[in-house]
Amino acid sequence: DGGITQSPKYLFRKEGQNVTLSCEQNLNHDAMYWYRQDPGQGLRLIYYSQIVNDFQKGDIAEGYSVSREKKESFPLTVTSAQKNPTAFYLCASSRRDTYEQYFGPGTRLTVT
Amino acid sequence: QQQVKQSPQSLIVQKGGISIINCAYENTAFDYFPWYQQFPGKGPALLIAIRPDVSEKKEGRFTISFNKSAKQFSLHIMDSQPGDSATYFCAASAPGNTPLVFGKGTRLSVIA
Repeated sequence: DGGITQSPKYLFRKEGQNVTLSCEQNLNHDAMYWYRQDPGQGLRLIYYSQIVNDFQKGDIAEGYSVSREKKESFPLTVTSAQKNPTAFYLCASSRRDTYEQYFGPGTRLTVT
Repeated sequence: QQQVKQSPQSLIVQKGGISIINCAYENTAFDYFPWYQQFPGKGPALLIAIRPDVSEKKEGRFTISFNKSAKQFSLHIMDSQPGDSATYFCAASAPGNTPLVFGKGTRLSVIA
């Protein structure tokens, strides 16, 4: 089955620790995205990548880092510099020649 | 500056009624306008999308109406069902496979 997988579904960390969220897609999509979702805030773009080994900051990149070493993978690291990391994180992907963007199931991160 | 404004924040509709959610945008370069449906704890799913060369698009019970001069578009859900209860997001993007810009979402509850 083709799709986007995010793991784990739930993640708990202590404040001050870095944590990496996984996103893998087997849709052969060129572009991948990371969004953060908070209640009442909609989806806010963290980082996106349109090709391998290249990525751009979104609206709320501070405290996050990404890499795009493979077309199918786009991991997101939430660093200790992110002041309020508890949120629902969504990964998405799209083909270069279409606008249609598809989302993974999300990872809920809780930092205490 | 919020580029896509969505209203209302929440909506309660009787079963069988029509649900209407509105969005307004500012960037005249936007040329793709999708709607996403999200159930609690899940990733958003693409529901229906429209380009500005048409004023209306219908897929089953879901219709997008688009008013280019007013820079507004809306989602109509006909014969609303309890299973339609979810959060709906409008979005927009400009040419060049740029990331989607999302509205803040509308929480729809369809009651029997």
